[in-house]
Amino acid sequence: DAMVIQNPRYQVTQFGKPVTLSCSQTLNHNVMYWYQQKSSQAPKLLFHYYDKDFNNEADTPDNFQSRRPNTSFCFLDIRSPGLGDAAMYLCATSREAGGEQYFGPGTRLTVT
Amino acid sequence: GENVEQHPSTLSVQEGDSAVIKCTYSDSASNYFPWYKQELGKRPQLIIDIRSNVGEKKDQRIAVTLNKTAKHFSLHITETQPEDSAVYFCAAFEVGGAQKLVFGQGTRLTINP
Repeated sequence: DAMVIQNPRYQVTQFGKPVTLSCSQTLNHNVMYWYQQKSSQAPKLLFHYYDKDFNNEADTPDNFQSRRPNTSFCFLDIRSPGLGDAAMYLCATSREAGGEQYFGPGTRLTVT
Repeated sequence: GENVEQHPSTLSVQEGDSAVIKCTYSDSASNYFPWYKQELGKRPQLIIDIRSNVGEKKDQRIAVTLNKTAKHFSLHITETQPEDSAVYFCAAFEVGGAQKLVFGQGTRLTINP
């Protein structure tokens, strides 16, 4: 009965080697979010989509991009990962802006 | 934009005692205030939330209070148990601009048996 699914759960990539993280949802929610979380810090919003409308946080590095090809799926692309990009990446959804956010289990990214 | 401050950053209480975590926010237009619990290595999970038209909400041992005038809200956990040990995050929903949750810095709560 998983509602927000993230794959893979663990990802190891080399410095500078592009990587894509995926998120899918069975809730049919309009809004999808990508957060970056480093150890014991608050989740940091990278992007969110309200339906197909893309919203980029001002301080999200250009190295990060996102795609939402349909309601159910959302992808996070890191074009040239650096050591500082090692983190937990959390996907979340909500039915509407200002609604309860449901988080996926996260993908832990390691950069070697 | 919205700014959320959370205190304390760490809190240690004896099992059975109460724990209180406080947050302040800056944007009076913010209208939704969730609290998330995150255990080590797991996803944040919503434990309780409150909207700006309500002053208090309770769910068993957990309660949240909201003071809109003072722009602060608090999480109260009574009869604490070891499984309450986790990091707790408050958040405020920024209505204008980006329409997003702005999180507090988190509180690491430890329940001592």
